[in-house]
Amino acid sequence: DVKVTQSSRYLVKRTGEKVFLECVQDMDHENMFWYRQDPGLGLRLIYFSYDVKMKEKGDIPEGYSVSREKKERFSLILESASTNQTSMYLCASSSAVRGEASYEQYFGPGTRLTVT
Amino acid sequence: GIQVEQSPPDLILQEGANSTLRCNFSDSVNNLQWFHQNPWGQLINLFYIPSGTKQNGRLSATTVATERYSLLYISSSQTTDSGVYFCAVEFQSNYQLIWGAGTKLIIKP
Repeated sequence: DVKVTQSSRYLVKRTGEKVFLECVQDMDHENMFWYRQDPGLGLRLIYFSYDVKMKEKGDIPEGYSVSREKKERFSLILESASTNQTSMYLCASSSAVRGEASYEQYFGPGTRLTVT
Repeated sequence: GIQVEQSPPDLILQEGANSTLRCNFSDSVNNLQWFHQNPWGQLINLFYIPSGTKQNGRLSATTVATERYSLLYISSSQTTDSGVYFCAVEFQSNYQLIWGAGTKLIIKP
């Protein structure tokens, strides 16, 4: 079974703090994703990484950065947290080898971040 | 623009009832997945189904790619089926999914 883990289920931070959210997958997947989920807005892609040290901006990258130094780990960084970044953050991974199974994205349990 | 629309937005049923959830999409797709998000927030893959029909227990899904829609069927609903069901579509060959807004399903005992 694919396993995607996230460093925290719940996190409370103050405005202006630097926040690190970590995601680890154990399936040797090339692709990793960070989403945020807000009520009524569904899932929105923040950043996507298709290889170590490679990244692409998603729909809402402003205020975020990412780091992928190892294949299994993808970090989301909020350089200076703001209250409008209070949200549920979801990490996912998928294979880049084209074939039926490769298209499927597998998700971690999510981190509910509150910025006060 | 590229769109993924799900209906209905909310559905409340009694245990044992059957339901059909719909996903309409605006262009041809490389990938279409159905997910269930449980009340604790975990997203679980249900089906990878860019075309055709698949079944898994009480759940089945059909995608008619030429008509740009997919249906998720849930038979003999149980309270554990409650949650939000998402349809997500990859339109371009870039591994990135475009998500519908979801259908919130509540199954009452």
